[in-house]
Amino acid sequence: ETGVTQTPRHLVMGMTNKKSLKCEQHLGHNAMYWYKQSAKKPLELMFVYSLEERVENNSVPSRFSPECPNSSHLFLHLHTLQPEDSALYLCASSQTGGSNYGYTFGSGTRLTVV
Amino acid sequence: EDQVTQSPEALRLQEGESSSLNCSYTVSGLRGLFWYRQDPGKGPEFLFTLYSAGEEKEKERLKATLTKKESFLHITAPKPEDSATYLCAPLGGQGNLIFGKGTKLSVKP
Repeated sequence: ETGVTQTPRHLVMGMTNKKSLKCEQHLGHNAMYWYKQSAKKPLELMFVYSLEERVENNSVPSRFSPECPNSSHLFLHLHTLQPEDSALYLCASSQTGGSNYGYTFGSGTRLTVV
Repeated sequence: EDQVTQSPEALRLQEGESSSLNCSYTVSGLRGLFWYRQDPGKGPEFLFTLYSAGEEKEKERLKATLTKKESFLHITAPKPEDSATYLCAPLGGQGNLIFGKGTKLSVKP
């Protein structure tokens, strides 16, 4: 596989459930990101991992918990979510320190909280 | 505070009708500006990177330009397959992309 792969593509969960989103990149990049995309809003940066260390957490509620076990894998653990958390969750990767800082995005997980 | 504003929010064109999308930005320590295309239900797809004022990049019917305060995405003789949301994202001094809300382009045959 190439690029950035996200699973599952769609997820419906109740407010009391616990689920995880998975992201895998096959590009040899050293940074990975979680973004939230809601209707009528710009992409919101949630978490950044660079060299497997979290470097940013933009005031994201604790019901979202990221995990980066290695430079190729990124998880977003979800628990006790609210209906307003329904959105498209996008993972991206990039190579920091190079001449091209472009991010490569996955296709996203469409999350619906009921 | 870093800000990015894209206009218009939505644009409807007839096939072959050229136009431009605007991205105005206020970003500290700008390191570059990225344009992405996003189709419904998919992640953004990279189009261009611009690094300095006066720079231009072209790809098929698209041309991106950059000034110190704005970037334009010019679409020449668009086709229905160009219909998508186009996202502008400056790269700030902290090293993270700052996205605008996007312009939703519809091209009718």
